[in-house]
Amino acid sequence: KQEVTQIPAALSVPEGENLVLNCSFTDSAIYNLQWFRQDPGKGLTSLLLIQSSQREQTSGRLNASLDKSSGRSTLYIAASQPGDSATYLCAANRDDKIIFGKGTRLHILP
Amino acid sequence: DTAVSQTPKYLVTQMGNDKSIKCEQNLGHDTMYWYKQDSKKFLKIMFSYNNKELIINETVPNRFSPKSPDKAHLNLHINSLELGDSAVYFCASSQKAEAFFGQGTRLTVV
Repeated sequence: KQEVTQIPAALSVPEGENLVLNCSFTDSAIYNLQWFRQDPGKGLTSLLLIQSSQREQTSGRLNASLDKSSGRSTLYIAASQPGDSATYLCAANRDDKIIFGKGTRLHILP
Repeated sequence: DTAVSQTPKYLVTQMGNDKSIKCEQNLGHDTMYWYKQDSKKFLKIMFSYNNKELIINETVPNRFSPKSPDKAHLNLHINSLELGDSAVYFCASSQKAEAFFGQGTRLTVV
C-alpha cells in the first residue's frame, strides 16, 4: 500500500532564502510524481510533474527531483518570496490511484 | 476552458438530507477520481473510475455512491448526510500523466 510522507510539516523561512521540501513514498511502481500548491480555501495548482523515467523537472524558480529507487522526491524553491507562502503537496500517481502526502505548510517571512 | 469543473462550489445542507456533486472533465482522460479533504487538510482518495468502471473504492461508507454516466462525468451522490461528511470534496482526472483537479466543493452539514 502506497504511503507518501512529507517533511517538514511546516516551515518558516525569511524571504530570499532557498529551501527544500521533501517527499518520500513507499511503492516505487509509480507512473509519475506531481507537486501541487494549495492556497488557503482554494483548489490545487499543479507545479511540476516528473515522469517515472525522469530525474528532474524545472519551472522558473522551482526544481523537482525524483529518485524512484530510494522513493524520494524533493522540491527546491530558489530565492523565496512572500507569494510562495502556501501548502505544498506531493502526490504519487499510479493511474488508478493518486496518493497524497499531508503537505508542507510554507510561510515566507517578509 | 476549465479542464475539470465541479458544481456546486459551496453546499450547505441539513443532516439526513441527500445531495449530489457533479464533475465534468473536457480533457478526454479515461480516469477520474473523488477525493475528500478533511479539516486537517489531508487529501484522501475515495473512488477512482476508469472509462466509467469503478476501480478503487477506499472503504467509503455506502452512503456515498459515485455515478459515471460517461467517460467525461463522475458525479458523487451522498445519502443521509452526517455532520462528519463536512469537508471539501475534489474531483480529478488523469491519464498516466498530469492529474488535474477541480476547484473543490465545500460541503457543510448542519
